[in-house]
Amino acid sequence: GAGVSQSPRYKVAKRGQDVALRCDPISGHVSLFWYQQALGQGPEFLTYFQNEAQLDKSGLPSDRFFAERPEGSVSTLKIQRTQQEDSAVYLCASSPRTGSVGEQYFGPGTRLTVT
Amino acid sequence: GENVEQHPSTLSVQEGDSAVIKCTYSDSASNYFPWYKQELGKRPQLIIDIRSNVGEKKDQRIAVTLNKTAKHFSLHITETQPEDSAVYFCAASNHGGSQGNLIFGKGTKLSVKP
Repeated sequence: GAGVSQSPRYKVAKRGQDVALRCDPISGHVSLFWYQQALGQGPEFLTYFQNEAQLDKSGLPSDRFFAERPEGSVSTLKIQRTQQEDSAVYLCASSPRTGSVGEQYFGPGTRLTVT
Repeated sequence: GENVEQHPSTLSVQEGDSAVIKCTYSDSASNYFPWYKQELGKRPQLIIDIRSNVGEKKDQRIAVTLNKTAKHFSLHITETQPEDSAVYFCAASNHGGSQGNLIFGKGTKLSVKP
């Protein structure tokens, strides 16, 4: 079946612009995670959704970052007034379970470059 | 919070040799330990995972061992092939919590020379 998809795959933004990154999880997956991966580093947790509820946003680096999943399926990560330090790959992952969360399956990521 | 250390950062082996990557974690409540393989420009792919009620798990040429007392776990790849070349990440998670977000190591770049 279809895996996790993300769009756009690449985004170039001028500093100060707003961007929106989309994640389509595997159909029926209840849990959805966003991670940020800087060049040469491991992914770092940003936020977690269980269905439409955002249960953890402790990893969001500033109040310029906002995520939503209004219908419990597609999620959008929005970054306002982008800064150069926001340049990274943004990965989305979904998991079929909640509570004792199981395997996480990643999308291909969106590479954001802020100039 | 949880902290995961991974070693080595780079590893070069000859085709057919074994490769071992080691990780340590700090939070004794962590109970789920997946390993991901990431090729350049591609998504992280789950290759094997282990839960804290198990000491070892094997899947063909790949095995993972877990030592809960010492809080470390290792990935073993036998009979390495050039297509094993990639960056490998270990991770830890507390599945007793409601979130289960993964804490990743910094990665090991494995190069398998033909």
